[in-house]
Amino acid sequence: ETGVTQTPRHLVMGMTNKKSLKCEQHLGHNAMYWYKQSAKKPLELMFVYNFKEQTENNSVPSRFSPECPNSSHLFLHLHTLQPEDSALYLCASSQDLAGPFNEQFFGPGTRLTVL
Amino acid sequence: AQKVTQAQTEISVVEKEDVTLDCVYETRDTTYYLFWYKQPPSGELVFLIRRNSFDEQNEISGRYSWNFQKSTSSFNFTITASQVVDSAVYFCALITSGYSTLTFGKGTMLLVSP
Repeated sequence: ETGVTQTPRHLVMGMTNKKSLKCEQHLGHNAMYWYKQSAKKPLELMFVYNFKEQTENNSVPSRFSPECPNSSHLFLHLHTLQPEDSALYLCASSQDLAGPFNEQFFGPGTRLTVL
Repeated sequence: AQKVTQAQTEISVVEKEDVTLDCVYETRDTTYYLFWYKQPPSGELVFLIRRNSFDEQNEISGRYSWNFQKSTSSFNFTITASQVVDSAVYFCALITSGYSTLTFGKGTMLLVSP
C-alpha cells in the first residue's frame, strides 16, 4: 500500500466502549498528526509526533490517548467518549515538522459516531 | 499569531465556468509556507500545492492556477473550465517557521453542476 491509510473507515461506539483508531504511513516520514474535523468547524489539530515523540498536545481531553510505537504507526485510543466527539478523525504525516519538506499527506479518515 | 481566512463558505458554478477561491492569511513571520488542499466527499485531504513566502511566482498546473500576492496577504486559487469532479471542499493553510503545525482556514465548498 502507499500513502497514508486509516482503519477503520467508519466506527460507531457507545459512550462506555473502548476502541482504537489506527493510522499507518508508507512514505518514510518522520512526523505524524491526528486531526479532528467536526461539522462546520475548522480542522483541529489534536496531537503531533516527531520521531515517535509527542511534540504537541493541543489541550485534548484525556479520553483521547495517542500512541506512536514507531514512525510509521499512530494510534488513537478512545474511551468514555461523548456524543460531541462524533467527527471525522484524520491522520497525516510529513517528512519533517518544519522547513521545505513539511507538506502533510492525509489519510482518508475515520468517521466516528458516538451514541 | 497566525490566521487563515476563507471568506467564501460555499460557491456554486456550472460546469466550464471559471471559479476563484479566496484565501487571506495573517502572520508576523517573514518565512512561511502556504498550502491548498482538496477534500472530496470521500474525506481524504489531497495536497495540491505548497508555496513559500520568498517565491511570489504564480503557478499553473493544468486547469489549476494560484495567485500569491504578499502585498495583500492573499493566496487565491483559480480553477479554469470547472468540472463536476472539482466539487469538493478546498482548504487553504499556513505554516510559519516558528510553528510546526498547519493553520487551516474553514474551507470553501465548491459545487460544480453539469
